Amino acid sequence: ELKVEQNPLFLSMQEGKNYTIYCNYSTTSDRLYWYRQDPGKSLESLFVLLSNGAVKQEGRLMASLDTKARLSTLHITAAVHDLSATYFCAVDLGGGADGLTFGKGTHLIIQP
Amino acid sequence: GAGVSQSPSNKVTEKGKDVELRCDPISGHTALYWYRQSLGQGLEFLIYFQGNSAPDKSGLPSDRFSAERTGGSVSTLTIQRTQQEDSAVYLCASSRGRSGKLFFGSGTQLSVL
Repeated sequence: ELKVEQNPLFLSMQEGKNYTIYCNYSTTSDRLYWYRQDPGKSLESLFVLLSNGAVKQEGRLMASLDTKARLSTLHITAAVHDLSATYFCAVDLGGGADGLTFGKGTHLIIQP
Repeated sequence: GAGVSQSPSNKVTEKGKDVELRCDPISGHTALYWYRQSLGQGLEFLIYFQGNSAPDKSGLPSDRFSAERTGGSVSTLTIQRTQQEDSAVYLCASSRGRSGKLFFGSGTQLSVL
């Protein structure tokens, strides 16, 4: 059974600081996704990582994938309040039809 | 449509009643997923449709849950004899193919009293 673990699950940080959210998973996969969810809203796709060593950047967010370590990171640079949200990683085993397996999410609060 | 549409946005029902939740995916998307999100939890996979193939029902939590997808487009998730533990947000997502980026609807908040 695929397990996806995110840490931290809760993070409070100040604007201007840098931080990294980690996503570990238990079974070999080369497809990993990051999503953002604002309170009361649905999920918004941020990044799709489809190979070992993949790195994607959008504004102050950068995601990377290390399939050998079964680890993905979401790095926040010079955080701003608008990035406050819950961030989910999700792993796709591929081949089958299990859908994505999601982590529990990282609740991020960025204080002015 | 412009995005994945779900209805109703909120549903309050009494324990033991049946409910139907509807999902209208993005036009042209062949893959459709149902997920359940309980308070403070991640997303739990329920069921997956790909084109006209038989759905993968491996995530359905009990035989009270069923789903269908008509004409490869609109999907309905049905929960029979609802229980309080069924209370959650039910999210539908669609994608162009099996490994495409998922686009989520805004969800149906189900409350079973």
